[in-house]
Amino acid sequence: EADIYQTPRYLVIGTGKKITLECSQTMGHDKMYWYQQDPGMELHLIHYSYGVNSTEKGDLSSESTVSRIRTEHFPLTLESARPSHTSQYLCASSLPSGSTDTQYFGPGTRLTVL
Amino acid sequence: DQQVKQNSPSLSVQEGRISILNCDYTNSMFDYFLWYKKYPAEGPTFLISISSIKDKNEDGRFTVFLNKSAKHLSLHIVPSQPGDSAVYFCAASAFLTGGGNKLTFGTGTQLKVEL
Repeated sequence: EADIYQTPRYLVIGTGKKITLECSQTMGHDKMYWYQQDPGMELHLIHYSYGVNSTEKGDLSSESTVSRIRTEHFPLTLESARPSHTSQYLCASSLPSGSTDTQYFGPGTRLTVL
Repeated sequence: DQQVKQNSPSLSVQEGRISILNCDYTNSMFDYFLWYKKYPAEGPTFLISISSIKDKNEDGRFTVFLNKSAKHLSLHIVPSQPGDSAVYFCAASAFLTGGGNKLTFGTGTQLKVEL
């Protein structure tokens, strides 16, 4: 059972606001990931991190940014939210074990930008 | 270009019967495959995985079969239970530069287990 937490679970916010989505894991996993998922669609990788002070962009272009100052914490920030950012954001983490990493997901944040 | 495909968006099965969910992939570099289950408004939950060196992996009611030559995998759930009703995602893994893996997901299959 994985212990990975995301807050808030739901967020409704106006256009132009700055928001930070929190993700924390208590398993000591080095690798962390952010995915974006629209209803009925596949998950798309938007950011990932190998460890502290490491961040990389994923496949799907995103206007969000991430930071990794501590192993357990991987927040995602949108400087100026827009309606096109409305989506579900999922955080995941994994142990380093080559290509057989199994990623464990948090409960997600459902973001709605009005 | 969708590298992982789940061609059935939905599947309905009676309680106690077998559920078979299918997944096809195109990238021969994938070497590890996973199935996740997802309830609405929750994150995906890991179910079962299989390495490309195997053709079958079983865990309780869940069995995953891999046919590398056909680039096809399937998840069998037997017997199906109402609590199994959820969206099931197939995912395939490839290395990321620098370590860790990238998961490529299918679009999911909504399974409904009816009484």
